[in-house]
Amino acid sequence: EPEVTQTPSHQVTQMGQEVILRCVPISNHLYFYWYRQILGQKVEFLVSFYNNEISEKSEIFDDQFSVERPDGSNFTLKIRSTKLEDSAMYFCASRLGDRDTGELFFGEGSRLTVL
Amino acid sequence: GENVEQHPSTLSVQEGDSAVIKCTYSDSASNYFPWYKQELGKRPQLIIDIRSNVGEKKDQRIAVTLNKTAKHFSLHITETQPEDSAVYFCAASWPSGGSYIPTFGRGTSLIVHP
Repeated sequence: EPEVTQTPSHQVTQMGQEVILRCVPISNHLYFYWYRQILGQKVEFLVSFYNNEISEKSEIFDDQFSVERPDGSNFTLKIRSTKLEDSAMYFCASRLGDRDTGELFFGEGSRLTVL
Repeated sequence: GENVEQHPSTLSVQEGDSAVIKCTYSDSASNYFPWYKQELGKRPQLIIDIRSNVGEKKDQRIAVTLNKTAKHFSLHITETQPEDSAVYFCAASWPSGGSYIPTFGRGTSLIVHP
């Protein structure tokens, strides 16, 4: 069964460093998402991506964040200058398309620790 | 934006008992309400969902109810088993263009004691 895959599973970085989290969505899916979960808190929406552009973003997704789909398969989240409060589990998800059930398929997450 | 509240944060039951998790949402435009289960160390996976034109949906031991007027929805698990132990997330999705944007609750850690 196709799955969303994410790398790395865990990354430790120093404050101020740039981080790139990678995701490979399910191949025929058209909508892509990034969520994050700070330990013990809600799963929070960051951004959705469709047709090679951002379709929606939350107030959390400020100028330090960016997403791109560089090669038609990978979907990346870049955090330009990490802060301590960026420490969280970051989930990538994808969805099939307009006529589907609306189900999001999640990756296993990338745990980011900022020191 | 949408705000989803989920209760309780932890639920401990004996095997065979029923478990109920409740969520409320704020945006009346939300029209799709999925529930996800996340086992320890694994990805969240959809277990059941309901749309706003339906009041109740059942799938074996799992059922979801929706009260649009009160803006709340609930997950009911009957005859719980130890393998039901996991974190359960509710979500309310609002349409944005051709997409859905699910807003998640905080999650409920369900512990089923054998």
